[in-house]
Amino acid sequence: NAGVTQTPKFRVLKTGQSMTLLCAQDMNHEYMYWYRQDPGMGLRLIHYSVGEGTTAKGEVPDGYNVSRLKKQNFLLGLESAAPSQTSVYFCASSYSGSGSYEQYFGPGTRLTVT
Amino acid sequence: AQSVTQLDSQVPVFEEAPVELRCNYSSSVSVYLFWYVQYPNQGLQLLLKYLSGSTLVESINGFEAEFNKSQTSFHLRKPSVHISDTAEYFCAVGFQKLVFGTGTRLLVSP
Repeated sequence: NAGVTQTPKFRVLKTGQSMTLLCAQDMNHEYMYWYRQDPGMGLRLIHYSVGEGTTAKGEVPDGYNVSRLKKQNFLLGLESAAPSQTSVYFCASSYSGSGSYEQYFGPGTRLTVT
Repeated sequence: AQSVTQLDSQVPVFEEAPVELRCNYSSSVSVYLFWYVQYPNQGLQLLLKYLSGSTLVESINGFEAEFNKSQTSFHLRKPSVHISDTAEYFCAVGFQKLVFGTGTRLLVSP
């Protein structure tokens, strides 16, 4: 199993450009999450999904959109990138069958907006 | 609503010394508690978790954490650290959604 994978690993955008980050998991997990990690702020939840076709806002959703058309994929979109969105983005997945909702993380995408 | 406080942003220790990383949380309901570890340029990995039962939980690499309900704490300890334990450690609380602390960077030097 590859676990949770993220594409791309690095990206540099100019202000106003758009892009989509792809997260894929091969563990048949129901839940998927997008976080951003900034120095001194820990991980903050952007959006999450409790199943195929469903999404919900997290703590810091502004400026981002998500879609979960397939159970194994969770896409994070930036329609008009801003320097404040420079961050490391992590995707995670979990399932209720474990009893603990333990989250499995991808390796991250480092995004710089200039 | 839940919140997590990790008071120490950085903890420097010498190899083979004991260490404690502090985590306090607040929640209006019972929650699960987790410690995750992040090595440089990697994603987070689960270190240990408390769901219910025994308040002392252990990881496979010698870390342990104790759930203290009265003090709303879940401190992480290791009696003797190694250079390889250098990493950032995150405390988290929740169920389906997790709330993370701001992290504690453990720096182990020879």
